[in-house]
Amino acid sequence: AQSVSQHNHHVILSEAASLELGCNYSYGGTVNLFWYVQYPGQHLQLLLKYFSGDPLVKGIKGFEAEFIKSKFSFNLRKPSVQWSDTAEYFCAVNARGGYQKVTFGTGTKLQVIP
Amino acid sequence: DAGVIQSPRHEVTEMGQEVTLRCKPISGHNSLFWYRQTMMRGLELLIYFNNNVPIDDSGMPEDRFSAKMPNASFSTLKIQPSEPRDSAVYFCASSPTDRGFNEKLFFGSGTQLSVL
Repeated sequence: AQSVSQHNHHVILSEAASLELGCNYSYGGTVNLFWYVQYPGQHLQLLLKYFSGDPLVKGIKGFEAEFIKSKFSFNLRKPSVQWSDTAEYFCAVNARGGYQKVTFGTGTKLQVIP
Repeated sequence: DAGVIQSPRHEVTEMGQEVTLRCKPISGHNSLFWYRQTMMRGLELLIYFNNNVPIDDSGMPEDRFSAKMPNASFSTLKIQPSEPRDSAVYFCASSPTDRGFNEKLFFGSGTQLSVL
């Protein structure tokens, strides 16, 4: 069975600080990987995704994530956060092939202080 | 397209009552998911349908929970009888599965359920 671990539950940063949120997954086969974001009072929306090819994926709003297969990791990064990045961030995995479910991590709440 | 539509937005009920949550996926999407979000456990997958057929319901907490998808444009999640620990936000999401996997989930706005 697939599973996702997000190590940080709550992160507080000052504006302009760099961000890295950890994500590790557990699954023996090929996976698709995602980061979703949930802004306060809104529903989840896709930030970026990895299916194949270049393991460094760029998403919206300056976010990027790197897939490291040997570490089963898909960490989210942003060089300089803004107050508007305050949100909850979810990593998700979808095992490739067949009718596979999408499993989410428990989420990381990011609070950016002006 | 209006996106994934969930109703009601908020539901307050008393313990023991039946609760029915509704979801209309995006037209053309053939995968539908029900998730529950709580502070303690984050976003948990309850059940997953593909082409109206339940594929994986291993996340359904117990027999009090049931879900149906009678056609491609409608799904329900029912809790009977409800308990205070069922209080959570319930999200429905749909996805096109054109290439054999779920490329992107589109989420509804959620139903905030409070069981008193």
